[in-house]
Amino acid sequence: GAVVSQHPSRVICKSGTSVKIECRSLDFQATTMFWYRQFPKQSLMLMATSNEGSKATYEQGVEKDKFLINHASLTLSTLTVTSAHPEDSSFYICSARDTLRERLFFGSGTQLSVL
Amino acid sequence: AQKITQTQPGMFVQEKEAVTLDCTYDTSDQSYGLFWYKQPSSGEMIFLIYQGSYDEQNATEGRYSLNFQKARKSANLVISASQLGDSAMYFCAMREPNNAGNMLTFGGGTRLMVKP
Repeated sequence: GAVVSQHPSRVICKSGTSVKIECRSLDFQATTMFWYRQFPKQSLMLMATSNEGSKATYEQGVEKDKFLINHASLTLSTLTVTSAHPEDSSFYICSARDTLRERLFFGSGTQLSVL
Repeated sequence: AQKITQTQPGMFVQEKEAVTLDCTYDTSDQSYGLFWYKQPSSGEMIFLIYQGSYDEQNATEGRYSLNFQKARKSANLVISASQLGDSAMYFCAMREPNNAGNMLTFGGGTRLMVKP
């Protein structure tokens, strides 16, 4: 079964509202989680690296105030898209690093549609 | 049960040789898509190749080809003429349409190391 749960799988919202996406590691503690955004040419762009108990590390060009990341516990990281606009419509996916098993596990993704 | 299985956690290949990375999948859907991504140390996931379940021809993109065997539910990635820059993690993924949206499921990945 899934070891990383991402919720919701699909969300439709109005322009100007905020949307929160959760990423949970189910059977391991993840000190590091990653957030990606998928673009039309299929590549997954790394948006930020989320570290438990500290500030996220954002990749160049990603707006920190727009994409708020919180990693408050060893099993949960959240991505909040603030004041969403239609251009934020995309597929967002998270992954969590299991350092014991030296594996990277992915969530199933969230399709965000902003009207 | 695992939906995407990559049985090789790590692989070595000599530079200029070809290498096959295994991927098997499990789905009851008739329509689905299979992807391969490369993840270098930078963390970005680079799309390599896509195979639709109804595509009759095996997908090819430059040095990458996908050996799609639908009856066996396998979608192995073949990299020809390996280069040192091919050293990275490789992930196989499947997209299935469902009521909640297009879910994307990843395998555990294979670390490929190209030897000079």
